[in-house]
Amino acid sequence: QVQLAQSGGEVKKPGSSVKVSCEVSGGSFNNYAFNWVRQAPGEGLEWMGGIIPVFGTTKYAQSFQGRVTITADESTNTAYMELSSLKPEDTAVFFCARSLVDRRTGYYDMADSWGQGTLVTVSS
Amino acid sequence: DIQMTQSPSTLSASVGDRVTITCRASQTISGRLAWYQQKPGRAPNLLIYKASTLQSGVPSRFSGSVSGTEFTLTISSLQPDDFATYYCQQYNSYSWTFGQGTKVEIK
Repeated sequence: QVQLAQSGGEVKKPGSSVKVSCEVSGGSFNNYAFNWVRQAPGEGLEWMGGIIPVFGTTKYAQSFQGRVTITADESTNTAYMELSSLKPEDTAVFFCARSLVDRRTGYYDMADSWGQGTLVTVSS
Repeated sequence: DIQMTQSPSTLSASVGDRVTITCRASQTISGRLAWYQQKPGRAPNLLIYKASTLQSGVPSRFSGSVSGTEFTLTISSLQPDDFATYYCQQYNSYSWTFGQGTKVEIK
């Protein structure tokens, strides 16, 4: 059974950056895409972007373009999400989520496994 | 971006009720729609994908259907474990978009 284990919660100052990790065990790393989803307190789910580790290709949501960087380390089966220029409204739980990739279109499929979430609090 | 409009935002129901949640896509998404259940403090859990395919291990009281760009999640007989928030998600583009969520509360 695949498990996605995320790094622990963080408290950050406005203007700084945060890097969250997602370590995959019990399943393939290279045959999937790994996505990041933000959920502000009491709010819905917002896709930030994703990466296909075997190709190193990334896609980002327009609303996070320029502020988010998603990377992956195949040697440790770990995906990372770095968010810069943090604002208090970035306070949220960040989830990683695994998905297959549609071979015909390159679209990420639905998320079949999720990490437990990482709370990032941005406060001065 | 493809927009997903989900309704209602809140739903009050009793155990045993039949519950229906709707999601409308702003354009055709070729049936590439998933439904997730999320409980407080937990990650979302995949219930249905490709509009109507039940994920392994999900109880058969959950079902999904589609008519054009309108998608429906139905719970045939609501159980105590089903009180949660439900999200639809389209995955027919280079970016995912989610519906706003439907909180199913105890009546």
